[in-house]
Amino acid sequence: DAGVTQSPTHLIKTRGQHVTLRCSPISGHKSVSWYQQVLGQGPQFIFQYYEKEERGRGNFPDRFSARQFPNYSSELNVNALLLGDSALYLCASSLQDTNTEAFFGQGTRLTVV
Amino acid sequence: GENVEQHPSTLSVQEGDSAVIKCTYSDSASNYFPWYKQELGKRPQLIIDIRSNVGEKKDQRIAVTLNKTAKHFSLHITETQPEDSAVYFCAASTFGGATNKLIFGTGTLLAVQP
Repeated sequence: DAGVTQSPTHLIKTRGQHVTLRCSPISGHKSVSWYQQVLGQGPQFIFQYYEKEERGRGNFPDRFSARQFPNYSSELNVNALLLGDSALYLCASSLQDTNTEAFFGQGTRLTVV
Repeated sequence: GENVEQHPSTLSVQEGDSAVIKCTYSDSASNYFPWYKQELGKRPQLIIDIRSNVGEKKDQRIAVTLNKTAKHFSLHITETQPEDSAVYFCAASTFGGATNKLIFGTGTLLAVQP
C-alpha cells in the first residue's frame, strides 16, 4: 500500500534556475497540497489542488506555480530560484478537498547555491 | 492573519516522565487540530487529531485537549520513551471551509533521556 511519493528526494540547483518537483498521492486521494518547510520551522502552505483545480494559495510569490493532472498527481514549479528557496518541499494527500486528514510524503530537499 | 503559536520550542524529559506541548491559534473559525511527529529526515506523521466538537481525545499514551474559548490546545504524552524523541508540530485547519490548508506551529523538539 503505497503512501504519498515525491521525486526527486534531493536536488541542488543554482540561483536563477527553474525546478519541477513531483508528487503522487495515495491511491484514491483527489487532493494534493504543497508545503515549504524551512529548517527549524513548521511547514508553510503553498498550494492546494483538488480535481485539477486550484483551491487555495499561500503567501508565496508568482515564481511558484503548480498543477494537478487527471491521475491526481501534481507538480510544483519554482522559477528564478533564490537562495531563500532552499527548503524541504512537502506534498500532502487528502481524500477530498476539505474535511479530511492530510498525509505527507517524505519531501524533496531543495538546495539552491 | 492566521497564526499558530507553539511552546516550548525544546523540551527535555526523563524516560517515564510526562511531556506537555501547548499551542494557541488565532482564527476562531478553526475547528480541526492535528498533531504531527517528525523524526529527523522523515515525513511528518499524523499521531492524533481533535475536532472542535470534543474537548479531549486519548490514544494510548497520547492525549490532546482543546479549550475553544481560550483558543488553546495541548498534546500530552505520558510514560515517555526514547522513541518519542522527535519534533512535534501542532496545526489548525477549518473543516468545512474552502480548503484543507493547515496552519502549523513552529515545532517542539522533544528529547527523552534514557
